[in-house]
Amino acid sequence: DQQVKQNSPSLSVQEGRISILNCDYTNSMFDYFLWYKKYPAEGPTFLISISSIKDKNEDGRFTVFLNKSAKHLSLHIVPSQPGDSAVYFCAASARYTGANSKLTFGKGITLSVRP
Amino acid sequence: EAQVTQNPRYLITVTGKKLTVTCSQNMNHEYMSWYRQDPGLGLRQIYYSMNVEVTDKGDVPEGYKVSRKEKRNFPLILESPSPNQTSLYFCASTRTSGTGEQFFGPGTRLTVL
Repeated sequence: DQQVKQNSPSLSVQEGRISILNCDYTNSMFDYFLWYKKYPAEGPTFLISISSIKDKNEDGRFTVFLNKSAKHLSLHIVPSQPGDSAVYFCAASARYTGANSKLTFGKGITLSVRP
Repeated sequence: EAQVTQNPRYLITVTGKKLTVTCSQNMNHEYMSWYRQDPGLGLRQIYYSMNVEVTDKGDVPEGYKVSRKEKRNFPLILESPSPNQTSLYFCASTRTSGTGEQFFGPGTRLTVL
């Protein structure tokens, strides 16, 4: 059973517009959520994270929103740029509940930003 | 430069021929982990290690072995590779007391014929 779900495999947006990438989770023990970005032929790189005690975290053009009651988080990229075209993975951990540093990843979503 | 390195980056082998993929990190991280990435399946954890001599199974450990004799190194061993282990493999590390972000290596693309 997949605990972190990214149900849309791909997303295409116009340069300058907003990209919204969605992620759902099922495990109530998850208390820390991360987004990773992956370019072809490279390893994933950390983008932004959010703790379960917050509902929003912003870093430049990237904002992550967390809705704990719905077990849903989303990554907003504004404005989108062609260099943002990559695969984005949502990940979750039970960091504050005694579990180890294990990350559970979603399947990823491929974002394409059209010039 | 802080980094996680993996070798080799690309490997083509045949069924049953033992191989080792090396992973090394220079950040003095306690936690290290191996993942495989397959189309439509995302990143799945194979094995992880909380510290030297402490290893445990992840979600898909069958057919793999690991060891952690030194803090910086975490090799992945395929004793008898099979075609279903053809995949893209990533090593990652992090501090157990840190904020949870894992640093990933560049990946090893393995093909088992």
